[in-house]
Amino acid sequence: DAGITQSPRHKVTETGTPVTLRCHQTENHRYMYWYRQDPGHGLRLIHYSYGVKDTDKGEVSDGYSVSRSKTEDFLLTLESATSSQTSVYFCAISESSGEYNEQFFGPGTRLTVL
Amino acid sequence: AQKITQTQPGMFVQEKEAVTLDCTYDTSDQSYGLFWYKQPSSGEMIFLIYQGSYDEQNATEGRYSLNFQKARKSANLVISASQLGDSAMYFCAMREAPHQTGANNLFFGTGTRLTVIP
Repeated sequence: DAGITQSPRHKVTETGTPVTLRCHQTENHRYMYWYRQDPGHGLRLIHYSYGVKDTDKGEVSDGYSVSRSKTEDFLLTLESATSSQTSVYFCAISESSGEYNEQFFGPGTRLTVL
Repeated sequence: AQKITQTQPGMFVQEKEAVTLDCTYDTSDQSYGLFWYKQPSSGEMIFLIYQGSYDEQNATEGRYSLNFQKARKSANLVISASQLGDSAMYFCAMREAPHQTGANNLFFGTGTRLTVIP
């Protein structure tokens, strides 16, 4: 199994509070991704990183920011959480670009915003 | 428009029988790839199988095979000899041509919940 951990695994917070989710990898993979999973939508890409300090937006980036100061860590921040951000958040990593580029997923973080 | 469409919200299959999970995709890229992931009730995402757009043969991985029909833009997953442990949510996903960054973002379908009946 790819070495990917996410913390926390579960979090309950209140509307308007800041929240940071952490993804940590031990694989030294270049690419890291944050997805959210919601019923009826599958997984949707929030942000991704293609190197230290190099990030870009995905399909549903509004209300989220990310940072990557080290290869192994990719942080997802909700500056002011809203109830619509209640979701399961998955981090994924991949080694390289190219035609075949399997993404390995972390265990997920269940976030509830009250 | 949806890039990945999975039209079967739920499917049932008898243990030891084969089952096909449908997936259609929409892209104008010539180079793309199709993935299937399994999500059991425990929640993790498990990679099952991959098919590249230039692969001439259908991909196979053990009991999993991908029925790739390029002209119809379909990439159905076939599970042979179903087992009780196959009960899970199954997601089809597509990556299009890589970004200039090299990142391969995945677009997921809404999933099919498979239940294997003893």
